Amino acid sequence: GNSVTQMEGPVTLSEEAFLTINCTYTATGYPSLFWYVQYPGEGLQLLLKATKADDKGSNKGFEATYRKETTSFHLEKGSVQVSDSAVYFCALSDNTNAGKSTFGDGTTLTVKP
Amino acid sequence: DAGVTQSPTHLIKTRGQQVTLRCSPKSGHDTVSWYQQALGQGPQFIFQYYEEEERQRGNFPDRFSGHQFPNYSSELNVNALLLGDSALYLCASSYQGVNNEKLFFGSGTQLSVL
Repeated sequence: GNSVTQMEGPVTLSEEAFLTINCTYTATGYPSLFWYVQYPGEGLQLLLKATKADDKGSNKGFEATYRKETTSFHLEKGSVQVSDSAVYFCALSDNTNAGKSTFGDGTTLTVKP
Repeated sequence: DAGVTQSPTHLIKTRGQQVTLRCSPKSGHDTVSWYQQALGQGPQFIFQYYEEEERQRGNFPDRFSGHQFPNYSSELNVNALLLGDSALYLCASSYQGVNNEKLFFGSGTQLSVL
């Protein structure tokens, strides 16, 4: 079956530091890949997505590239802010039904001023 | 434009009881998916409703059931509650149209089973 593995956290960075959160997946076929963010007390929000190999998703300074050869979708940001402190989830779904998504366990990011 | 709304926000039950959680999808959405998020873990897919029918189901026992109404809102029912059912229950809505990949999540219902 499908599975998603994220780097374990928590991750603590200083403001303006470079961020990488690793994500690898196992899936049959050609899934779509997602990063979601969950701020305290809120639901998950879609951060970015990529639907096929070599696609790069980007939003709010975050980027992730769909690497089929390494089955990875690592999240990066060049300069984090305190407001980026949240829990980040990597997820996948098949291309016909994003409603049935498989999530990683999440990585908690804390950015200190 | 209201997003996905869930009620109640918090709930405390005892073992063996039954619970009903409610979800109203984002305006224009016709599909509702339910997830269980245990503490420190990612959401796990319970089931999905479309056109008032259960379309897909994850690896959850029959104690978990649901319903979708003509206005697309949905309920999640859990019978014979166990301590292990304590979790955040998330509802996500989407539209079964061209861009059917975009999920919108509610803030969830925190269920505590004592």
